[in-house]
Amino acid sequence: QKEVEQDPGPLSVPEGAIVSLNCTYSNSAFQYFMWYRQYSRKGPELLMYTYSSGNKEDGRFTAQVDKSSKYISLFIRDSQPSDSATYLCAKTRGGSYIPTFGRGTSLIVHP
Amino acid sequence: GAGVSQSPSNKVTEKGKDVELRCDPISGHTALYWYRQSLGQGLEFLIYFQGNSAPDKSGLPSDRFSAERTGGSVSTLTIQRTQQEDSAVYLCASSLKARAGTGELFFGEGSRLTVL
Repeated sequence: QKEVEQDPGPLSVPEGAIVSLNCTYSNSAFQYFMWYRQYSRKGPELLMYTYSSGNKEDGRFTAQVDKSSKYISLFIRDSQPSDSATYLCAKTRGGSYIPTFGRGTSLIVHP
Repeated sequence: GAGVSQSPSNKVTEKGKDVELRCDPISGHTALYWYRQSLGQGLEFLIYFQGNSAPDKSGLPSDRFSAERTGGSVSTLTIQRTQQEDSAVYLCASSLKARAGTGELFFGEGSRLTVL
């Protein structure tokens, strides 16, 4: 089992929809969780990181961690065509500075 | 520039040739990472440098792969005797040491390697 599992999609939604992107993970040691966004032929860019369970909000984006079920989610409100990209979830393990990434989910927001 | 710079952006080589990929991290970032991204795959960790400490090479797939970081800044990833399965985008990232544990990495745009 990979340490971070993510459905590759693609996920296609209409503009204005609420998008839910999800990952599951193994290994429950102390860790941080991250969401990165990657546009085509570009490097990933960090959207958000969180440590504790619960929600963290930044503008239209909300990251949610459920440590009891080992589930991490990213919600995008009022999705825009410019949100069309691949979204990568990642986490670090306790004592490690090396993030482990999921395969990424391709999101398409159509006008 | 303010971001992580990688060169070349594209490299086409013949099987069996050696290639060198360069990464210039953000000034002041002591942590430097190399990842590989194959088509439809996630980011595969290759190697991690932190200041003057010995690098973590645990992700290098074979002894054909090596990397160095000179003066705590620029890094070069070398692939010897390239194989077709080495075709991928090689991504470099840097981070402040204090933020590296939180996963706050800044990525370059990658070097796209094609081995014919």
